[in-house]
Amino acid sequence: DTGVSQNPRHKITKRGQNVTFRCDPISEHNRLYWYRQTLGQGPEFLTYFQNEAQLEKSRLLSDRFSAERPKGSFSTLEIQRTEQGDSAMYLCAGSGSGNEKLFFGSGTQLSVL
Amino acid sequence: AQSVTQLDSQVPVFEEAPVELRCNYSSSVSVYLFWYVQYPNQGLQLLLKYLSGSTLVKGINGFEAEFNKSQTSFHLRKPSVHISDTAEYFCAVSDGGFKTIFGAGTRLFVKA
Repeated sequence: DTGVSQNPRHKITKRGQNVTFRCDPISEHNRLYWYRQTLGQGPEFLTYFQNEAQLEKSRLLSDRFSAERPKGSFSTLEIQRTEQGDSAMYLCAGSGSGNEKLFFGSGTQLSVL
Repeated sequence: AQSVTQLDSQVPVFEEAPVELRCNYSSSVSVYLFWYVQYPNQGLQLLLKYLSGSTLVKGINGFEAEFNKSQTSFHLRKPSVHISDTAEYFCAVSDGGFKTIFGAGTRLFVKA
């Protein structure tokens, strides 16, 4: 158990609907990352927070995606107007300052019908 | 820009045989290198990492990897695998900044 929890574990939605995922890292994780993983591929970087500041956002992330980390604790990832291509496992990971090791949550599996 | 290439998408091997999972990276700066493992229905967890120092790195579950700067490789090895090692293995690279880039993964399948 890495201490990073993600909710929900599974989400099934219809195309065009909005979805929101939550990640709760442990308190020592001042860095928080979102990755996306599709079948047969490694995790793809989406975005990164240092405390509450979003410092980098992948070009893969369209304007339908938004992430927040209010107060530098939990984080949410919202996808608006979902498309079938958004179907994937969304992974959250935390790490401490100067610690390159990532602690991953179990992920949220999104299926867009 | 950094990138990671895992040369084998699947590696079948018999129990107690040795195994090597290959990883090559590309980066214009000094790198940190990692291997993560993902067991079925579980999240990714760190197997081992190279930050600096000795190029031979030992990790959990009897795995080790060797950093070869001239060949830009970081291959993972285990002298004798178990059924329980069946999993997906991901090589990853970081430039010491904030972003870790992952390879596409190698599925290790250990047969009895």
